[in-house]
Amino acid sequence: AQSVTQLGSHVSVSEGALVLLRCNYSSSVPPYLFWYVQYPNQGLQLLLKYTTGATLVKGINGFEAEFKKSETSFHLTKPSAHMSDAAEYFCAVTPNSGGYQKVTFGTGTKLQVIP
Amino acid sequence: EPEVTQTPSHQVTQMGQEVILRCVPISNHLYFYWYRQILGQKVEFLVSFYNNEISEKSEIFDDQFSVERPDGSNFTLKIRSTKLEDSAMYFCASRQTGMGYEQYFGPGTRLTVT
Repeated sequence: AQSVTQLGSHVSVSEGALVLLRCNYSSSVPPYLFWYVQYPNQGLQLLLKYTTGATLVKGINGFEAEFKKSETSFHLTKPSAHMSDAAEYFCAVTPNSGGYQKVTFGTGTKLQVIP
Repeated sequence: EPEVTQTPSHQVTQMGQEVILRCVPISNHLYFYWYRQILGQKVEFLVSFYNNEISEKSEIFDDQFSVERPDGSNFTLKIRSTKLEDSAMYFCASRQTGMGYEQYFGPGTRLTVT
């Protein structure tokens, strides 16, 4: 069974500072990996995904993530935080072979950006 | 850009009542899903649906739940007799055929059971 661990349920950064949200997965084979963002009272929006190929993936709003197989990690980063980045971020995985690819989500990390 | 839509955005119901949550997936998508998020908790998978049948369901998805694709566009989740613990945000999602495609999520329906 697949699982996702997000370290830190709450992260606070100053505006302009580096954002680093951590995600580790557990899976017998490398899964497909995703980061979703949820703004208050809204649905889930895809930030970026890794399926195959280049391990550093770039997403919307200046975010990027790097797949590290040896560390079973997929941490999300952004060089400079904006106030508008305040939201909850979910790391997620799906199987990379067959099946109906249900998404398994982490518990989420709420990002607070301090002016 | 195509999007998944859900209605209603908020539903209040009394315990024991039946509710139907509606979703319109993206038109060329063939895989459909329901997830729920209890307040303050993570998003949990409920059920996946493909080719007019349930393909996978979680242990949460018991006999009180059912899904249906009544026509070519809608995808519904029915809860027959709601319980207080069914209060949650329910998300519909859809995905196109093929490997590696992400699921597109709707804005959610907030269900409040009183």
